[in-house]
Amino acid sequence: AQSVAQPEDQVNVAEGNPLTVKCTYSVSGNPYLFWYVQYPNRGLQFLLKYITGDNLVKGSYGFEAEFNKSQTSFHLKKPSALVSDSALYFCAVRDFGNQFYFGTGTSLTVIP
Amino acid sequence: GAVVSQHPSRVICKSGTSVKIECRSLDFQATTMFWYRQFPKQSLMLMATSNEGSKATYEQGVEKDKFLINHASLTLSTLTVTSAHPEDSSFYICSARDRNSPLHFGNGTRLTVT
Repeated sequence: AQSVAQPEDQVNVAEGNPLTVKCTYSVSGNPYLFWYVQYPNRGLQFLLKYITGDNLVKGSYGFEAEFNKSQTSFHLKKPSALVSDSALYFCAVRDFGNQFYFGTGTSLTVIP
Repeated sequence: GAVVSQHPSRVICKSGTSVKIECRSLDFQATTMFWYRQFPKQSLMLMATSNEGSKATYEQGVEKDKFLINHASLTLSTLTVTSAHPEDSSFYICSARDRNSPLHFGNGTRLTVT
């Protein structure tokens, strides 16, 4: 069965420090992987995706994610966190049936 | 970029009434639209998948007679919560995609049933 795991409910990081939000997945075949961000009382915004090609994917707002096939991971990263990055982050995988599976979300708090 | 418009953003209704939520894709044809429900501090729960011109496919445990979904055109899907009760109060989010895009989400609808 397809699934996505975000092992951390909450991540706290000081402003200016690098941040990592973890995601691991389980899917048959080659995965299509996505990161979305949700601000309070808003829908989700697309950040970045991995379909094929370079394992390091760059997305919006300075975020990037690295696809690691051997570890079945797709961690979201940013070199220097901003207070405005504080939000809820969702990892998602799309299978060949075009069904999306979301992780449980990680709440990121960037401390000034 | 692709935009999905969801309306209304907030709605308060009395118990027993019905509420309709609209989801529109503004600059692309959405072959598939999805409806999610989100409880506080929880992930998205997929309620149903709708393909234009066909009946929606509901996830297990979702009452199709209570949550009516219509996808009459390639740019519009509606979710109607019928005979709403306080336990239906939640944040509802639609999303849409065409064949080659990631999901694009609406801004969600905060439903409060009093």
